[in-house]
Amino acid sequence: EAQVTQNPRYLITVTGKKLTVTCSQNMNHEYMSWYRQDPGLGLRQIYYSMNVEVTDKGDVPEGYKVSRKEKRNFPLILESPSPNQTSLYFCASSGGADTGELFFGEGSRLTVL
Amino acid sequence: DQQVKQNSPSLSVQEGRISILNCDYTNSMFDYFLWYKKYPAEGPTFLISISSIKDKNEDGRFTVFLNKSAKHLSLHIVPSQPGDSAVYFCAASTSGGSYIPTFGRGTSLIVHP
Repeated sequence: EAQVTQNPRYLITVTGKKLTVTCSQNMNHEYMSWYRQDPGLGLRQIYYSMNVEVTDKGDVPEGYKVSRKEKRNFPLILESPSPNQTSLYFCASSGGADTGELFFGEGSRLTVL
Repeated sequence: DQQVKQNSPSLSVQEGRISILNCDYTNSMFDYFLWYKKYPAEGPTFLISISSIKDKNEDGRFTVFLNKSAKHLSLHIVPSQPGDSAVYFCAASTSGGSYIPTFGRGTSLIVHP
């Protein structure tokens, strides 16, 4: 089954404790991206990757890091989480075709205390 | 500055009636438009799209209309069903190698039985 898998789905952590949210896709997609969803703000892009070893900042990259060492994986790293990073996070991938159609994971709800 | 705007945060409709969700954009370079649907506790899923060379695309109960001169698109759901209750995101992208859609903030549709 074609899918985008994120882990963990739910996490409560404390300020400053480094964490990683993993994302993996099995569709051989070149493009992957991370979004956060906040009430009233919709989906805001954090980082994206056009291919292996190619990553770029989205609209709200501050406080986040990513890496793309393999095509299928695109982890999101919070080196020193803060309460303003409490949010619902989505990973997405696309095979492109110049249309922007994305396949989303089920989301990771992160709470930073 | 929002390039894709969904000015109605919420919409309430009676079952069986038409739901019309609106979306405006400012970037004239956008040439592909998508609607995503999101249920609580799930990731967004692709619903329907339209290329700028068309002014209408229909898929079952869902029809998207594009008015390029007004930089406006709308999603019509006829007839509306309670299972259509979800958040709908409008997104726009440019072709020519760009995989990066820009999202609106979403409209929460509630269909009452």
